[in-house]
Amino acid sequence: GAGVSQTPSNKVTEKGKYVELRCDPISGHTALYWYRQSLGQGPEFLIYFQGTGAADDSGLPNDRFFAVRPEGSVSTLKIQRTERGDSAVYLCASSPGTGSHEQFFGPGTRLTVL
Amino acid sequence: SQKIEQNSEALNIQEGKTATLTCNYTNYSPAYLQWYRQDPGRGPVFLLLIRENEKEKRKERLKVTFDTTLKQSLFHITASQPADSATYLCALVNSGSARQLTFGSGTQLTVLP
Repeated sequence: GAGVSQTPSNKVTEKGKYVELRCDPISGHTALYWYRQSLGQGPEFLIYFQGTGAADDSGLPNDRFFAVRPEGSVSTLKIQRTERGDSAVYLCASSPGTGSHEQFFGPGTRLTVL
Repeated sequence: SQKIEQNSEALNIQEGKTATLTCNYTNYSPAYLQWYRQDPGRGPVFLLLIRENEKEKRKERLKVTFDTTLKQSLFHITASQPADSATYLCALVNSGSARQLTFGSGTQLTVLP
């Protein structure tokens, strides 16, 4: 079956612009996570959705970052007024949400802020 | 402060040998710990999960141990192959937290033919 997909695969933007990154989780997975990974580092947690609601957004670095999952499936990570320090690979993962703790990751979106 | 440390950034071993990767943590009480494999340009792929009350888990050529007294997990790949070359990440879920993973920075393993 299809895995987690993320679009775009690459995004180049200018400092100060607004970007949206999309995640399509595995069908039927109720839990969805966003992580950010910088070069040479492990993924860093941003936000976790259970269904439509954000169960934990403690990893969002500041109020320029926001994520939604309005119908409990596709999620969008939104970054306002981008800064060069936002450049990283943004990873999305999903899991069945009950019982299973394995997370299935997408290939990521590489964001470059010039 | 809380830390997850993986033993080295890079590890080179000869094909057929056993690779041992280390994950140490400080100021966490993990409910469970996971190991992931990550290839360049790809997202992490789940390998194994071990719970706080388990000492050892095996899956084919992979073995994970978990010592909550030492605050350490060891990840072993036996009979290593060049195809095992990748970055291996340990990740834990802290007791009482939601399901988000906290990752170490990874160890890049190269298996030489």
